[in-house]
Amino acid sequence: DAKTTQPNSMESNEEEPVHLPCNHSTISGTDYIHWYRQLPSQGPEYVIHGLTSNVNNRMASLAIAEDRKSSTLILHRATLRDAAVYYCILHNQGGKLIFGQGTELSVKP
Amino acid sequence: DSGVTQTPKHLITATGQRVTLRCSPRSGDLSVYWYQQSLDQGLQFLIQYYNGEERAKGNILERFSAQQFPDLHSELNLSSLELGDSALYFCASSPTGTGGHAFFGQGTRLTVV
Repeated sequence: DAKTTQPNSMESNEEEPVHLPCNHSTISGTDYIHWYRQLPSQGPEYVIHGLTSNVNNRMASLAIAEDRKSSTLILHRATLRDAAVYYCILHNQGGKLIFGQGTELSVKP
Repeated sequence: DSGVTQTPKHLITATGQRVTLRCSPRSGDLSVYWYQQSLDQGLQFLIQYYNGEERAKGNILERFSAQQFPDLHSELNLSSLELGDSALYFCASSPTGTGGHAFFGQGTRLTVV
């Protein structure tokens, strides 16, 4: 399984943008890049995913490098409710979802 | 609400016992995944079913088994329980393999005493 590498933790100030990086140098051509987050005592929650092009939705933006070996999840204005563990996952169509350690994001008021 | 329902929410049982965790996927989703999350291990992938067939296996112990029924709900059976099996167990579902994302339930918290 292709692996991802994320920083263990990051800090942000409330209402500022947050850029969460992910490296996936062994990504294959059919792997989608997925981001999930997990709030304390809750199940993981889907955030966004993409294949090659940058993606935007109401929660976040996903910027994918041209060679697809890295990606960045962008939260445009962090709120206290965005404090969570963020997971970057490579997902082959219909295949298993393997979670790494993720990045624990803390947001300061 | 993700649309994935897990029951029960909490379960307390003794060592050596057997329990069954149940998962109802979102309507129409064919894939079901099971995960174990303990404090020191993170989210560990256990097993995946797709339309009733086992598709992928992770670090699932031999004491654990799962199945997906014709109505697509799934059950995870844990037997000969040990203290170390205490954890949150999550189920997720996703539609057919088009790169679509998964939806997670709220989990079952298992405590083995």
